[in-house]
Amino acid sequence: DTGVSQDPRHKITKRGQNVTFRCDPISEHNRLYWYRQTLGQGPEFLTYFQNEAQLEKSRLLSDRFSAERPKGSFSTLEIQRTEQGDSAMYLCASSLGQKGVISTEAFFGQGTRLTVV
Amino acid sequence: AQTVTQSQPEMSVQEAETVTLSCTYDTSESDYYLFWYKQPPSRQMILVIRQEAYKQQNATENRFSVNFQKAAKSFSLKISDSQLGDAAMYFCAYGTSYNYGQNFVFGPGTRLSVLP
Repeated sequence: DTGVSQDPRHKITKRGQNVTFRCDPISEHNRLYWYRQTLGQGPEFLTYFQNEAQLEKSRLLSDRFSAERPKGSFSTLEIQRTEQGDSAMYLCASSLGQKGVISTEAFFGQGTRLTVV
Repeated sequence: AQTVTQSQPEMSVQEAETVTLSCTYDTSESDYYLFWYKQPPSRQMILVIRQEAYKQQNATENRFSVNFQKAAKSFSLKISDSQLGDAAMYFCAYGTSYNYGQNFVFGPGTRLSVLP
C-alpha cells in the first residue's frame, strides 16, 4: 500500500501519560501535515513540515506537543502529560509541492484515535 | 487568517436525487485552491473535487460539480444522482501557499445522509 499510514490506529492512555504517534507519508511527498479532529468537527491544523523542517505550528500545539520529521521521511507526534481534552483523532496528511507552489491535493492517513481516561 | 464556513451541519437526500452542499470562505489571497473532501464513517478522507481560484470554469468530476463564485467567496458542491455510498461527512477546504510552505484550512463539515 503506497498511501499515508499511521500507527497506532487506536490508543487508550491514562491521564498524565506520554504518547507518541507515527506517520509514514507517501514516499515522494515532501510536505507533511498533522491535524486534530474532534467528533463531528473538521480537521484543525497542528503543524506542517517541508522536508525535515517544521515551518509552521498552530497555537493549538501547546508545549506538551512536539513533532519531528527526521530526514524528511516519517514523522512522529508526541503528547506529554496527556489530558482528557487531548482525546481526538490525530490525522496525518502529505502532499507534493515546490516552494511557493500550492499542492493540488493532500492525501490523508486513517488517523490515530486517542482516548485519554 | 483564512476561514471556511459550512452552514449546513446535516443534509439528507433521496437516492438518485440531487443535493447541494454550501461553503463560504474568507481570504485576502488571490491564488488559492478550494477542495471538497469526503470522509466516510471510520474511513480516511479522500478528495472529491478541487477548483483553482484563477479558473472561471466550474470543476466537474462525474456526478460531482461545483459552483464557484469567487467574488462572493462561495464554493458549493452539487452531487447528482445520489448513491448510498455518497453518505459521509463532507468538508470544504481552502489551500494556499506561502513563501515557506502550504496550509489547508477545513470547514466544520456537513454530514450527508442518503435515503433509500
